[in-house]
Amino acid sequence: EPEVTQTPSHQVTQMGQEVILRCVPISNHLYFYWYRQILGQKVEFLVSFYNNEISEKSEIFDDQFSVERPDGSNFTLKIRSTKLEDSAMYFCASSVWTTNEKLFFGSGTQLSVL
Amino acid sequence: GENVEQHPSTLSVQEGDSAVIKCTYSDSASNYFPWYKQELGKGPQLIIDIRSNVGEKKDQRIAVTLNKTAKHFSLHITETQPEDSAVYFCAASWDQGAQKLVFGQGTRLTINP
Repeated sequence: EPEVTQTPSHQVTQMGQEVILRCVPISNHLYFYWYRQILGQKVEFLVSFYNNEISEKSEIFDDQFSVERPDGSNFTLKIRSTKLEDSAMYFCASSVWTTNEKLFFGSGTQLSVL
Repeated sequence: GENVEQHPSTLSVQEGDSAVIKCTYSDSASNYFPWYKQELGKGPQLIIDIRSNVGEKKDQRIAVTLNKTAKHFSLHITETQPEDSAVYFCAASWDQGAQKLVFGQGTRLTINP
């Protein structure tokens, strides 16, 4: 069964450093997303991406965050200058033809900012 | 904006019994309601979803019911098995509005043998 792949599974970084979280969505999917879950809190929407541009972003997704589809298979989330409060599990997701519905999630990257 | 509340936060049932998890939502415009199961070390996996033009949907041992008037929806798992133990999330979205899923807090379901 096709799946969304995320790397790395764990990332530890120092405050102020840049991190890039990587995702390989399911190959025939057209919509891509990042969600995050801070420990003990709800899963929160960060951004959706379609046709090489952001289609929606939350108030969390400020100028420190950016997304990119650098080639035909990868989808990345970059945090330019990490803060302690960025520590969370980050989930990538993709869907085939429409936003919101039938999202397939990856296993997540646990980001720890020290 | 939309807010989804989910109860209970933890649920423990005997194997073979039924489990029910409930969610309420605030935005009457929401029209899509998925349920996700998250096992340890894995991402959320879609197990069933329902649109607002349907009151109930069933897939083998799992079913979802939706009450649009009361703005709540529920997940029902019958004949529970140990492999049903996981964290379950409900979510809501509106396909004509913000392009995002709004999640509930999650319910940790434990099936006791």
